[in-house]
Amino acid sequence: GNSVTQMEGPVTLSEEAFLTINCTYTATGYPSLFWYVQYPGEGLQLLLKATKADDKGSNKGFEATYRKETTSFHLEKGSVQVSDSAVYFCALSAGTSYGKLTFGQGTILTVHP
Amino acid sequence: DTAVSQTPKYLVTQMGNDKSIKCEQNLGHDTMYWYKQDSKKFLKIMFSYNNKELIINETVPNRFSPKSPDKAHLNLHINSLELGDSAVYFCASSSPGPSGANVLTFGAGSRLTVL
Repeated sequence: GNSVTQMEGPVTLSEEAFLTINCTYTATGYPSLFWYVQYPGEGLQLLLKATKADDKGSNKGFEATYRKETTSFHLEKGSVQVSDSAVYFCALSAGTSYGKLTFGQGTILTVHP
Repeated sequence: DTAVSQTPKYLVTQMGNDKSIKCEQNLGHDTMYWYKQDSKKFLKIMFSYNNKELIINETVPNRFSPKSPDKAHLNLHINSLELGDSAVYFCASSSPGPSGANVLTFGAGSRLTVL
């Protein structure tokens, strides 16, 4: 079956530090890959996505590249802000699953001033 | 205008009671979902409906019964509530995007606490 594994958290950084959250996946076929973000007390919001190998998704300074050879989709940001503090979820959607998302376990990010 | 709205936002109830959570989307999407988020933030799909038809049922106890009166609504009814049902329940909706990938839009969540 499909699965997503994220690096364990929580992650604590100082403002302007570099962020990497690792994500690897197992899937049949060619899944679409997503990063969702959940701010405190809110629902999930799409952060970025990639639908085929070597695609790079980007939004709000965050980037992730779909690497088929390493089955990875690591999230990066060059300079984090306090407002980036949230829970980040890596997810995949396989082609015939009616959009069903399989999520990783989530990584809690806290950014200090 | 809220795209996916859930009610209630908070629900506190006793074990053994029956409760419902309602969800509505105004995005014109064909597919709706219920996800459960446990205390460790782990998200797992429960159900999915496409145009009012059940298409995903992920081995959820039959105490949970989804109902979709039309494609804009997906309600979740839970009978005989148990302590382990305490969680945040998220409704979501989607339609295929230009690239074929379904992007889900989530509601703000309904936090259920069973005492």
